[in-house]
Amino acid sequence: DTAVSQTPKYLVTQMGNDKSIKCEQNLGHDTMYWYKQDSKKFLKIMFSYNNKELIINETVPNRFSPKSPDKAHLNLHINSLELGDSAVYFCASSQDMGPNYGYTFGSGTRLTVV
Amino acid sequence: QQPVQSPQAVILREGEDAVINCSSSKALYSVHWYRQKHGEAPVFLMILLKGGEQKGHDKISASFNEKKQQSSLYLTASQLSYSGTYFCGTERVNRDDKIIFGKGTRLHILP
Repeated sequence: DTAVSQTPKYLVTQMGNDKSIKCEQNLGHDTMYWYKQDSKKFLKIMFSYNNKELIINETVPNRFSPKSPDKAHLNLHINSLELGDSAVYFCASSQDMGPNYGYTFGSGTRLTVV
Repeated sequence: QQPVQSPQAVILREGEDAVINCSSSKALYSVHWYRQKHGEAPVFLMILLKGGEQKGHDKISASFNEKKQQSSLYLTASQLSYSGTYFCGTERVNRDDKIIFGKGTRLHILP
């Protein structure tokens, strides 16, 4: 069973469209994250949820809206897509109690806006 | 705020050793290390916590100098499978629940 699964793996869409990326974790972790990795491989945090509650909301355009229906799911909806949104989006989760709360990343969603 | 990694890239022959450094200008609670292979997700290697410690498994180990806000990742007798980009991620002492990643160090192992 995949620990953190994201769908879709690839997403090609035109500018101006709205799209969603889904993430699910079966690790029982309390915290989930969205990271964006650009073409230079820089991993930048976007959002963090702890038990369905928004904890971190970095300086991200409000076209990006996360939603967490329960602590195992964190979805990302993007409105009015722009060329600069092209990147790989990674979902991650962590159990933030204990000394070994490393992040488990999903396999990523490669978004290409044309 | 973003930790600084050095070097940016390393090319080694199989069996050689490598050291990757990570430094921050902020007081740190923890340092994470991850490896990402091309086209794949980052994979957690280890975490070092405030208090200064060393950790390791197999031939990969790391240290955390809390006073200097620096961490180093040591890869000894490197194997082809060690190739990839290594990221350090730092969490500040205020425990603001987020890891800020460095720009990564690309490691390429030649046979």
